[in-house]
Parts: sequence; C-alpha cells; structure tokens
Amino acid sequence: DIQMTQSPSTLSASVGDRVTITCRASQTISNWLAWYQQKPGKAPKVLIYRASSLESGVPSRFSGSGSGTEFTLTISSLQPDDFATYYCQQYHDYSTFGQGTKVEI
Amino acid sequence: QVQLVQSGTEVKKPGSSVKVSCKASGGSFRNYAITWVRQAPGQGLEWMGRVIPSLEETNYAQRFQGRVTITADKSTVTSYMELLSLRSEDTAVYYCAREKGYYDYWGQGTLVTVSS
Repeated sequence: DIQMTQSPSTLSASVGDRVTITCRASQTISNWLAWYQQKPGKAPKVLIYRASSLESGVPSRFSGSGSGTEFTLTISSLQPDDFATYYCQQYHDYSTFGQGTKVEI
Repeated sequence: QVQLVQSGTEVKKPGSSVKVSCKASGGSFRNYAITWVRQAPGQGLEWMGRVIPSLEETNYAQRFQGRVTITADKSTVTSYMELLSLRSEDTAVYYCAREKGYYDYWGQGTLVTVSS
C-alpha cells in the first residue's frame, strides 16, 4: 500500500499569510494527487487534482505543485474562510489519504 | 448538478451489521466509480473501497476485505455499503463520493454509532 505523509500536522497562521503544506508518498505516484479542504461537520471539498489542476470554482489563491513523491499545496494569501483541515490523496494505486493538516489561527 | 444523498444516522450493537445507501441525482453512474470513505471522530479520512457500476467491479481496502460489501443499482442510481461484524472502532461518519480518480462530489455523510 502507498503511504501518504503530510506535514505539518497543525499550522498556526494569520490572515494574509502564505501557507505551504507538504505531502510525501512512500513510492512514486506520478501526478495522481488531489488536495481537499474539510470544515467541521462537512464533507471534504476538492481543491486541486492531478497535483496542480485547480478544480472549477476554487479561488486562485490555492495552488498545487510536485510530482513523483513530493507535493505541496500553497495558499498565497490566507483568508478567514481558509481555516480548515487539508488532506492530500493519492489515486495512483487505489486511494490513500494523508493524515491531515489543520490550519488554525 | 450532481447530488449524492445518503441515508440517515444509524445506531448499532456490536456484532451487528449496517447498510448505508447513497442515491445520485442530477447525473448517472455511467463512466464513474462510487467510493466509500469513513472518518472516525476527530480522525482523518480512510478509503474503504469502491464500485465501478459500468463494469460491475469492486475494489476494497485490505483492512476491510471480507467485512465490507459495496454494490450499485444502476436502475435506481444508488450505491450501498454494508459493513459486517461491527465493533466500537467502526463508529464513524461514512461518506460516499463520485470518483474520477479523485472525488468531485460527496454525499452529506452518515453517522454510524456502534455501542452496546
């Protein structure tokens, strides 16, 4: 099974900050990686797919990069609505999620 | 607009089973898989398995093999996830999602509580 490791687990930030979250795969997954945002009591929402493609309707302050085993999600200027938990997901070999990164004030 | 609507909250005894449904509206199952993901309280997302209705093919995470069955009824555009031999650790919110590799539409989630 492919393992996904996110870092950090928790991130303290302020409105306007540039935020970067990292996701590492235990083996190469090409660019078969997605990023999700989840708020308490809600289903996850896809932000990025194929490592760097922005899902329709998602603000352009979100961006993704990477390939192989190392990936990043960047929020260029953190907004109040962005305080949430973020997950990466590989879909190269079935599916595995990272453990999540909570972005808090 | 695709919507996935799941069945309601369940409370089950240890050792029993649960069957959760996920009905699609505004679209069809054609060309897509339906995946099931669960989330224990305060924990992360865990992939359980999926069904590809057009191929009548299923795939399951190894840790659930033999205990979970995922099906799809193309006529009613509904997927089902049945989990057997429930234990307290199965207490979680269970989500269905439409799969394009990644998951673009999600159900609202179904809370399953396992308690004696």
